[in-house]
Amino acid sequence: QTVVTQEPSLTVSPGGALTLTCASSTGAVTSGYYPNWFQQKPGQAPRSLIYSSSQKHSWTPARFSGSLLGGKAALTLSGVLPEDEAKYYCLLYYGGAWVFGGGTMLTVL
Amino acid sequence: EVQLVESGGGLVKPGESLRLSCAASGFIFNTAWMSWVRQAPGKGLEWVGRIKSKSDGETIDYAAPVKGRCTISRDDSKNTLFLEMNSLKTEDTGVYYCVTASPYGHWGPGTLVTVSS
Repeated sequence: QTVVTQEPSLTVSPGGALTLTCASSTGAVTSGYYPNWFQQKPGQAPRSLIYSSSQKHSWTPARFSGSLLGGKAALTLSGVLPEDEAKYYCLLYYGGAWVFGGGTMLTVL
Repeated sequence: EVQLVESGGGLVKPGESLRLSCAASGFIFNTAWMSWVRQAPGKGLEWVGRIKSKSDGETIDYAAPVKGRCTISRDDSKNTLFLEMNSLKTEDTGVYYCVTASPYGHWGPGTLVTVSS
């Protein structure tokens, strides 16, 4: 069974920067996994931030960026705002099926 | 403006069936790949399945936990996506989201399915 692993939780100060990662149990994450990143706040539906590793939607704030880093998919936040406190999920493609990571709870304080 | 509105959720007993609908507007539905994603109470997101557009063969893929019990379909004449679930189990309880999947972008607000005796 394929497992996608994310950091369970991270903390950052307002104005700071950090990188969330997304690893695959099958090996290095490449562009062929078409990594997606989503943000979910309590009581809300998820919001898409990044697709195909680094592509942004028209609504994605500039402080969010996606990349491939050291065999993992990565989501970098720069100039973090209090409103960025949320759970972040990655999604990877496995030739027909997609698998979500368990999510990273980001605390801003 | 893209809008996705799910409906059809509710309380059902284990072993029963349910059909969810997703009404889409604000984009060209018949060229869009569409997906269902669910979330159990207090848990993470789980990909359920995806249906391609008719022009891309209308191929459907399912997650292993629901394969054989779920059927995704679409009615392009009504801009509507469906998820039919059979032999429901308590672990199928959760919010079911309709999502555009080419790429994954727009999400509906979700509809709650509760499977309980």
